[in-house]
Amino acid sequence: DGGITQSPKYLFRKEGQNVTLSCEQNLNHDAMYWYRQDPGQGLRLIYYSQIVNDFQKGDIAEGYSVSREKKESFPLTVTSAQKNPTAFYLCASRLGEGIGPGELFFGEGSRLTVL
Amino acid sequence: GNSVTQMEGPVTLSEEAFLTINCTYTATGYPSLFWYVQYPGEGLQLLLKATKADDKGSNKGFEATYRKETTSFHLEKGSVQVSDSAVYFCALSDAGGTSYGKLTFGQGTILTVHP
Repeated sequence: DGGITQSPKYLFRKEGQNVTLSCEQNLNHDAMYWYRQDPGQGLRLIYYSQIVNDFQKGDIAEGYSVSREKKESFPLTVTSAQKNPTAFYLCASRLGEGIGPGELFFGEGSRLTVL
Repeated sequence: GNSVTQMEGPVTLSEEAFLTINCTYTATGYPSLFWYVQYPGEGLQLLLKATKADDKGSNKGFEATYRKETTSFHLEKGSVQVSDSAVYFCALSDAGGTSYGKLTFGQGTILTVHP
């Protein structure tokens, strides 16, 4: 079955450590996104990528980094510069720019807790 | 810029009650509109969508009609079940892709249904 796989589902990190969250999709989608969700809040866009080897900052990119070396993969690194990294992280994808009504397909999420 | 406003929650209902979750939006042009549902500890799932004025999206007994004159996309269900307990997000996607497919989300509405 096609879909988006995020790993790990749960992750604990000590302060000052970088951590990388994995996102893989086999939907053949061009565009991929990372969102952050905090309790009682909506989704905030961190980074997005329309094509391989290209990505743009979203609304809250500070303290995060991404890469897009393959169409299927869009890993997110939460760096030690992120002041409040404890959150639920969601990866999503969509077909591509101007294709279809624009809905996103989401992974199951990764919950990061900083100890 | 674009924005989505949802009715504040949480919403608590008894099983078989009628559900309405209000959603209004601000956008230029003719956006596509979506409702997503998030069950505890999971990612978001697309519930329904509408791509032009007067379209009605429907799925699993839920319905929403794209009302351009009132810039609204209210979610309704005639008889809720305990299994409908979740967080519901209203979202819009720019038409024409000028913002490269970024979805704008509302803050989410928590629905709890009691037996």
